[in-house]
Amino acid sequence: QSALTQPASVSGSPGQSITISCTGSSSDVGDYYYVSWYQQHPGKAPKLMIYDVTNRPSGVSNRFSGSKSGNTASLTISGLQAEDEADYFCSSYTTSTTLANYVFGTGTKVTVL
Amino acid sequence: QVQLVQSGSELKKPGASVKVSCGPSGYTFNSYAINWVRQAPGQGLEWIGWINTNTGNPTYAQAFTGRFVFSLDSSVSTAYLQVASLKAEDTAVYYCGRLSGSWYIDYWGQGTLVTVSS
Repeated sequence: QSALTQPASVSGSPGQSITISCTGSSSDVGDYYYVSWYQQHPGKAPKLMIYDVTNRPSGVSNRFSGSKSGNTASLTISGLQAEDEADYFCSSYTTSTTLANYVFGTGTKVTVL
Repeated sequence: QVQLVQSGSELKKPGASVKVSCGPSGYTFNSYAINWVRQAPGQGLEWIGWINTNTGNPTYAQAFTGRFVFSLDSSVSTAYLQVASLKAEDTAVYYCGRLSGSWYIDYWGQGTLVTVSS
């Protein structure tokens, strides 16, 4: 596969929790813990939010959390805030050499209502 | 602090080539691989590939073999992406990044917009 599958959009009201899914296969998400998530605001470079499925880099709010079950990884944003409105991309290591061992998700636009 | 600074925007005609630079600072250059990502207008992130900064060995995604070339100048701690025979569909922002050993990009360049238009 050429990309991991994410929902095109997810929305929520301030204070709510939302979850973004990222579905791959046994060649990537299913068999490896090298799943990461990036946040991208319009006109800006992506920012690392989660790595190794569950880990948060220093400085990233603990409102962001990651998990994985089978071939699907998830990003949960709790206590949704206006500043969380952005595009989110998952990514994973893959055994596919045609993809040069890395693949991004299709991307999810998060809207704060 | 760690930074990756890329060269400025480029406007090129179809068939021309472009070379984008990426100058990391704040860490030892050959301690991490450098990766390249393309983002066409309004689209998602595409993984072009990565280059081992110790050996200079590049790895390209199949969709980017042939016209895309990674290179290094370790004397000035700079990585380059060269794209030959540019097409309109190469119009995009190109990002470099620092690739960690467990396959995540912890620092990104600010992006370089390459516009291909006659």
